Amino acid sequence: GAGVSQSPRYKVAKRGQDVALRCDPISGHVSLFWYQQALGQGPEFLTYFQNEAQLDKSGLPSDRFFAERPEGSVSTLKIQRTQQEDSAVYLCASTLTGDDNEQFFGPGTRLTVL
Amino acid sequence: DAKTTQPPSMDCAEGRAANLPCNHSTISGNEYVYWYRQIHSQGPQYIIHGLKNNETNEMASLIITEDRKSSTLILPHATLRDTAVYYCIVSRGPLTPGGSQGNLIFGKGTKLSVKP
Repeated sequence: GAGVSQSPRYKVAKRGQDVALRCDPISGHVSLFWYQQALGQGPEFLTYFQNEAQLDKSGLPSDRFFAERPEGSVSTLKIQRTQQEDSAVYLCASTLTGDDNEQFFGPGTRLTVL
Repeated sequence: DAKTTQPPSMDCAEGRAANLPCNHSTISGNEYVYWYRQIHSQGPQYIIHGLKNNETNEMASLIITEDRKSSTLILPHATLRDTAVYYCIVSRGPLTPGGSQGNLIFGKGTKLSVKP
């Protein structure tokens, strides 16, 4: 069956540009997470949604980062005025319910800011 | 900060058991031990989790010490496709209403290289 998909898989942006990264979770999954993974590091939590509600955004590094999930399915992570330190892989994960232990991850979007 | 300590790298011969250790000496009573792995250029993949009992599934076994301060992930017959970074994570487990305790705190993991 279809897993979590993310698009684009690769994105190159010039410093100062805005970018939008898309996550399609597994159909019917209630919870959705965004993580940022710098080169050689483990993923770091950014934000979490339960349906359309953003319940935790404590991991967003600055107010340039914004995430939404307006209909409780697809989510978009937007980064405004990108900086070189934003270069990373952005991972999306979903779980069927709020009681699940297993998070299903997408392949990630590799963002390179020049 | 991650609450776990893992060796940065390990080697294992193909067909042999891979035993990956993890220290989590500050684990609290309501925290679970999770293991995920990440194959190069892919997203992390769930392997197994446990609270205090040993667990086994089709992928691996998880052995948790009685004091719960450390654990070992065992891949019984490692193959070349098991080459990956393995993350040991301590978390409060399933989400509770109104909270997001399910977000995972990854460390740097152990890079396991399975060699022919």
